[in-house]
Amino acid sequence: AQSVTQLDSHVSVSEGTPVLLRCNYSSSYSPSLFWYVQHPNKGLQLLLKYTSAATLVKGINGFEAEFKKSETSFHLTKPSAHMSDAAEYFCVLTGGGNKLTFGTGTQLKVEL
Amino acid sequence: DTAVSQTPKYLVTQMGNDKSIKCEQNLGHDTMYWYKQDSKKFLKIMFSYNNKELIINETVPNRFSPKSPDKAHLNLHINSLELGDSAVYFCASSQDWGNTEAFFGQGTRLTVV
Repeated sequence: AQSVTQLDSHVSVSEGTPVLLRCNYSSSYSPSLFWYVQHPNKGLQLLLKYTSAATLVKGINGFEAEFKKSETSFHLTKPSAHMSDAAEYFCVLTGGGNKLTFGTGTQLKVEL
Repeated sequence: DTAVSQTPKYLVTQMGNDKSIKCEQNLGHDTMYWYKQDSKKFLKIMFSYNNKELIINETVPNRFSPKSPDKAHLNLHINSLELGDSAVYFCASSQDWGNTEAFFGQGTRLTVV
């Protein structure tokens, strides 16, 4: 069985400050991990992916994530938040098949 | 040029009706999926097809029937719609069964009244 836990359902930051969205996973297989972003009333867009290559993964819009096997974590970070980053973020796991297992999502709010 | 397109974007219908949501991808991918996103934003896979063949069929009422006329299309038919079917349905595709990076459509917001 595999699962994804997003530790915060809501995160609020000020514009220009760092963003940290936390994700822990559980998988019996070597996992592939993704972060997707969903803006209001929009589809899901891939931010970045980890597929057993470099553990520090850089994505679009200045986001990056680090795969830490010892901590079973794949936290998403960005050095400086922008108003346009406000959205729902999903940590996603796949391993041993093509079924994507989604976390419950983290709503990021960016304030002036 | 939209990679994964779904129609319609919004669908409001009465209980008991039968409706279809269409999905097309122009990426040349072999694998397509349907996901359901509930009111709490939780996404769960419903079906997956690879080369027109059903691979994943999660615990979904048999009122839901996917149909894949060719690799580029995966349509979702829903019979006897119920209030609990109200959700956002996302179509997605990936290059092949071994490639798990999925590209998603914009979603279809289904409201059953």
